[in-house]
Amino acid sequence: KNQVEQSPQSLIILEGKNCTLQCNYTVSPFSNLRWYKQDTGRGPVSLTIMTFSENTKSNGRYTATLDADTKQSSLHITASQLSDSASYICVVSAEGNNRLAFGKGNQVVVIP
Amino acid sequence: GAGVSQSPSNKVTEKGKDVELRCDPISGHTALYWYRQSLGQGLEFLIYFQGNSAPDKSGLPSDRFSAERTGGSVSTLTIQRTQQEDSAVYLCASRLLPFSVGGPSGANVLTFGAGSRLTVL
Repeated sequence: KNQVEQSPQSLIILEGKNCTLQCNYTVSPFSNLRWYKQDTGRGPVSLTIMTFSENTKSNGRYTATLDADTKQSSLHITASQLSDSASYICVVSAEGNNRLAFGKGNQVVVIP
Repeated sequence: GAGVSQSPSNKVTEKGKDVELRCDPISGHTALYWYRQSLGQGLEFLIYFQGNSAPDKSGLPSDRFSAERTGGSVSTLTIQRTQQEDSAVYLCASRLLPFSVGGPSGANVLTFGAGSRLTVL
């Protein structure tokens, strides 16, 4: 079973609308959680990184939340733009471990 | 360089041929990672370098896969006798420090290259 599960697998939203992507993980002991944005044909680009003590972190129109107790994170996209169309990947690292656990990504398509 | 560079960006090869994929990490980054991304799948860890040594190569799927890193910089991933199931995007990433070492938050960011898309016919 994958240590990082993301939902929904894909979604289509209208330009200007908000959306929320979910990430549940079982990685332990937890070190930090990252959200990456991957445009088609490009490598993933870091959006946010959150450690155990951080609950919310924003990067422009992207806001990530973390609940380390329930092992859940969300990425909220506000006032979506066409350029937000991408795959959003949740990545979790364990303490003292050089491996990362990757989710399969949330595929977001923003339509005009 | 300013970012992680990978070459070739696209490679089409015949089954049974050998291929080499190159990664040029960000200058000064000590940690280098190779991942494989198949269609509709998450990133699959292949190998991790710290400097020129590979303390974790447990993700390499078979002995047809090998990688090396020279001068603490450029890395080459070699796939021998390619098979159709090797078709994927191979992503390289680098980081200033290994994950097991603390440091400034900016050093924690893993920076990816654009990937090398391999198609085995």
